[in-house]
Order: sequence, then structure tokens, then C-alpha cells
Amino acid sequence: GAVVSQHPSWVICKSGTSVKIECRSLDFQATTMFWYRQFPKQSLMLMATSNEGSKATYEQGVEKDKFLINHASLTLSTLTVTSAHPEDSSFYICSARVNRAHQETQYFGPGTRLLVL
Amino acid sequence: SQQGEEDPQALSIQEGENATMNCSYKTSINNLQWYRQNSGRGLVHLILIRSNEREKHSGRLRVTLDTSKKSSSLLITASRAADTASYFCATDAKGGGTSYGKLTFGQGTILTVHP
Repeated sequence: GAVVSQHPSWVICKSGTSVKIECRSLDFQATTMFWYRQFPKQSLMLMATSNEGSKATYEQGVEKDKFLINHASLTLSTLTVTSAHPEDSSFYICSARVNRAHQETQYFGPGTRLLVL
Repeated sequence: SQQGEEDPQALSIQEGENATMNCSYKTSINNLQWYRQNSGRGLVHLILIRSNEREKHSGRLRVTLDTSKKSSSLLITASRAADTASYFCATDAKGGGTSYGKLTFGQGTILTVHP
């Protein structure tokens, strides 16, 4: 199946710093990628939809200036958590939708665990 | 907000038994998908059932979909200790535009299979 990678797999940072997380589709092109956040023992919450070559679409309640998304190519989307605070500590997961007709499956990355001290 | 509700929230069974998890949703869908997540890891896609399908099988997995009741079930037969994980349903809502491809996840069921 299609492979999606994320980097880094985990990161610890100080409060106030910015952290960039990369999401790559390794063997397919993805016009659209999605970013989710998952708190411990909870489900995935969609944060934003990342579209190649255009601005991301953010879900209600997600601050676009805090969570910067860039989808510069068909295989790479980045999420930057700006001025991170302890409450931003979470598991961030991206997914990519295969860019083919009748392909509805999304492929998920392994996730990035962020701890803000 | 999450539209999916799953039950039970937690399920504990013995190896060899069957495990059934249920999922309900609120809007019209294109398809419903089930995913598995091992503790602290990414999601693994298990099975997708389209809105015009009622039942689907994949190995030891059986998924049903009742669009009139807006509900789905996932049955894992002859469970193994390695099936221990969290299981999530996710709906792909109808409608294009900004809804295209967006998945809404249920709260998940934590399955524990004891050897």
C-alpha cells in the first residue's frame, strides 16, 4: 500500500519556540493532505486540509496563525506549531489521499509526538 | 466536533472469541472506514464500505453498514492477542467543496484480547 512518512517522530521543545513537522507521501502524489491532532485516550480531530499550491482550509476553532500549513509540492506538507505552549503537546498525525479517481482511502503517517515544556 | 459515536468504549475478551464494535454517525456519507491504532502509533486502514454496500469481508473482519440507521459494525472473528488495539470508524461525508475527503472519526473502542 501507499506509504506516508512523518518527521520527526517525536520532539521536545521549550515553550515559545516553533516546531515544524513534515508529512511526505513516499510513492504517490497527494494533492490533498490532512492534519489531525490526537490527545491521550481521545480520537483524532481534524485540524486542517492542506491543498497543494493553495491555502490550507482550517477547521473551526483551529488558529491558522498558530498552526501554519504549507503544501509546497505534491509529496510534502508541513505543519509548523508557532510559539508552542504546553497545551499544544499532543500527537499530530497527517494523512494523504491518493490522487486517483475512485480512490477514497487515506493513508496515515506514523504520527509525531510533541511535548512542550 | 466528532460526529461518530462508538460503543463499547472498551472491550475485553479472550483469545478465540469474537469482538463486535459499533459506530453511529449523523450525516449522509460517501463511505465509512475502519482503522486500527496500536498504542501511540499511526493508523492502519482496515476496510472501507461504500454507502451503497451493506456488508463487506476482509479476512477475519466483517463490516456491516445500515444507512437507514446511520450505523456500522465491525466484527473481528477468532480474535488474537495481536488484535489488541484501538479501533476507530471514520466517515467520509457527502458533499464536495471543502468537505471533499474529510474524515470524521468516532471516539474509538479500546479492544483488549487476553491470551
